[in-house]
Amino acid sequence: AQSVTQLGSHVSVSEGALVLLRCNYSSSVPPYLFWYVQYPNQGLQLLLKYTSAATLVKGINGFEAEFKKSETSFHLTKPSAHMSDAAEYFCAVRRISNFGNEKLTFGTGTRLTIIP
Amino acid sequence: DARVTQTPRHKVTEMGQEVTMRCQPILGHNTVFWYRQTMMQGLELLAYFRNRAPLDDSGMPKDRFSAEMPDATLATLKIQPSEPRDSAVYFCASGLSRGAGDTQYFGPGTRLTVL
Repeated sequence: AQSVTQLGSHVSVSEGALVLLRCNYSSSVPPYLFWYVQYPNQGLQLLLKYTSAATLVKGINGFEAEFKKSETSFHLTKPSAHMSDAAEYFCAVRRISNFGNEKLTFGTGTRLTIIP
Repeated sequence: DARVTQTPRHKVTEMGQEVTMRCQPILGHNTVFWYRQTMMQGLELLAYFRNRAPLDDSGMPKDRFSAEMPDATLATLKIQPSEPRDSAVYFCASGLSRGAGDTQYFGPGTRLTVL
């Protein structure tokens, strides 16, 4: 069964500092991995996804993530935090089911706070 | 700018009442998902449909929850009777089923409070 673990339910960084949000996955098959962002009172929005092409994936708003099979990780980074990055971030893995493969399993989320 | 729409955005009801939440997927999308988000459980998949057919509702309490797609432009999630523990934000998402890397597009959610 596929699952993801997000280390750190809350992360605070200063404006302009590096953002690093951690995600480790567990999968018996090559996974498809996703990062979603949720702003207050909104739905989830896709930041980026890994689908077995390039291991370094670039997403929207300057975010990127690197798939590391040896570490079973898919950490999300951004070189310089902006106040508008304050949100909750979810890592997700595609679950393979008997009915198809569209189902996602989400991590517990990491709330990112940006300190002015 | 195509978006998933959900109505109502907020619903307050009393225990025992029926609640119906509606979702309009993005035109042309053939998969629809219902999720529930709570502080304690996080995001849980309740049910999903492909081409209007229910494929998996194993995450849904069958005794009180039901999900349907009367047509390709409308998905509904019904709770009858509602209970306080159903208080949560319910999200609908839609996608185009072309492979495992497909993106799910989320609606803004329905915040349900059951008193």
